Amino acid sequence: NSKVIQTPRYLVKGQGQKAKMRCIPEKGHPVVFWYQQNKNNEFKFLINFQNQEVLQQIDMTEKRFSAECPSNSPCSLEIQSSEAGDSALYLCASSLGLGVQDTQYFGPGTRLLVL
Amino acid sequence: GEQVEQLPSSLIVQEGASVLINCSYTDSASVYFPWYKQEPGKRLQFIIDIRSNMERKQTQRLTLLFDKKTKHLSLHITATQPGDSAIYFCPSLNVGDNSKLIWGLGTSLVVNP
Repeated sequence: NSKVIQTPRYLVKGQGQKAKMRCIPEKGHPVVFWYQQNKNNEFKFLINFQNQEVLQQIDMTEKRFSAECPSNSPCSLEIQSSEAGDSALYLCASSLGLGVQDTQYFGPGTRLLVL
Repeated sequence: GEQVEQLPSSLIVQEGASVLINCSYTDSASVYFPWYKQEPGKRLQFIIDIRSNMERKQTQRLTLLFDKKTKHLSLHITATQPGDSAIYFCPSLNVGDNSKLIWGLGTSLVVNP
């Protein structure tokens, strides 16, 4: 069973506001992924980290999001200026590595509603 | 971009029935296929996986079959229970693409008592 922790579980913001969510990966997992799941079950990869370094991020994340995974602190994902289209479930996953069969284990998600 | 397709999109069965969930993917470089179950309001739960050098994997009531030539997977669930009701996802993973998962839209399974 996954032990990834995400806070808060729910977040309500107005358009233009910042929205910040946090993730504590499983102990000993140096790789962290963030995905967005919309109400139609479409998943979008946002960014991933190995230790504190960004491995890959999509254009949207680079332009509108701020993300980090500092050592000895929770990882965080922050939307700088929320838009209605950002309303979704934000999922954090962690894994032991990037190899074959390094399973990604998920947190419960942060559900963001942008009014 | 690379895609995963899942069929059917939804299934409704009576408790005790067997079900088959099908997945196909497009990325020939995909090497790992974890399956997840998502119950309403709960986190994605890892249930079974298979590597591209395997053809079959079984655990309790789950049997996962993989055909590399046709890029197709199928998950067979036997003796279904109401607790199996969930959305099932079968993402693909390409380690050469920073191991990000490529997802389909899921298969919704409802098991009626």
